[in-house]
Amino acid sequence: GQNIDQPTEMTATEGAIVQINCTYQTSGFNGLFWYQQHAGEAPTFLSYNVLDGLEEKGRFSSFLSRSKGYSYLLLKELQMKDSASYLCAVMDSNYQLIWGAGTKLIIKP
Amino acid sequence: NAGVTQTPKFRVLKTGQSMTLLCAQDMNHEYMYWYRQDPGMGLRLIHYSVGEGTTAKGEVPDGYNVSRLKKQNFLLGLESAAPSQTSVYFCASSTGTGAYNEQFFGPGTRLTVL
Repeated sequence: GQNIDQPTEMTATEGAIVQINCTYQTSGFNGLFWYQQHAGEAPTFLSYNVLDGLEEKGRFSSFLSRSKGYSYLLLKELQMKDSASYLCAVMDSNYQLIWGAGTKLIIKP
Repeated sequence: NAGVTQTPKFRVLKTGQSMTLLCAQDMNHEYMYWYRQDPGMGLRLIHYSVGEGTTAKGEVPDGYNVSRLKKQNFLLGLESAAPSQTSVYFCASSTGTGAYNEQFFGPGTRLTVL
């Protein structure tokens, strides 16, 4: 079967750095996405990785290792507005997105 | 541009009632999707469409029907609602299923079936 694993919840301090991990087992691989979802709102796109390595976009970076079936999202200089759920999703061989359950990130002052 | 819009935002149904959720997008996207999101679970694909007049089943299609009569609209129907269909429903659209397929989501519909 297809499976995406992420921690259920993480807590971090304002101004700090946090890394959210995602491991996956899917039938085929056509890229990995990270989305942010604030409580009661729609998911919004953060990043896309299809090749191994690190993609940096401002305070957010995303890393991919296809051989290990592993990705992480790195958030720097945390702000209170970063409190949200972070969803990892993998595009499989049928170009369908398989979604993880999400990681709820709590930022404390 | 409004992006992706959904109506209604909230709805309460009794078991056995029917309803239709409407999704509209103004980005000229070919692909549209209906997902449900339940606590502790990832988004699950119900049905999707790769263009006007086409629909296909996703991971959890039972109990739902869809129609895509116009490119900009994607309707999700529940013929006979059941409590197991209590969920938050999200519509999304994208330009295609190429290697880069950012999906744009609507604000969601919170459905409760009593």
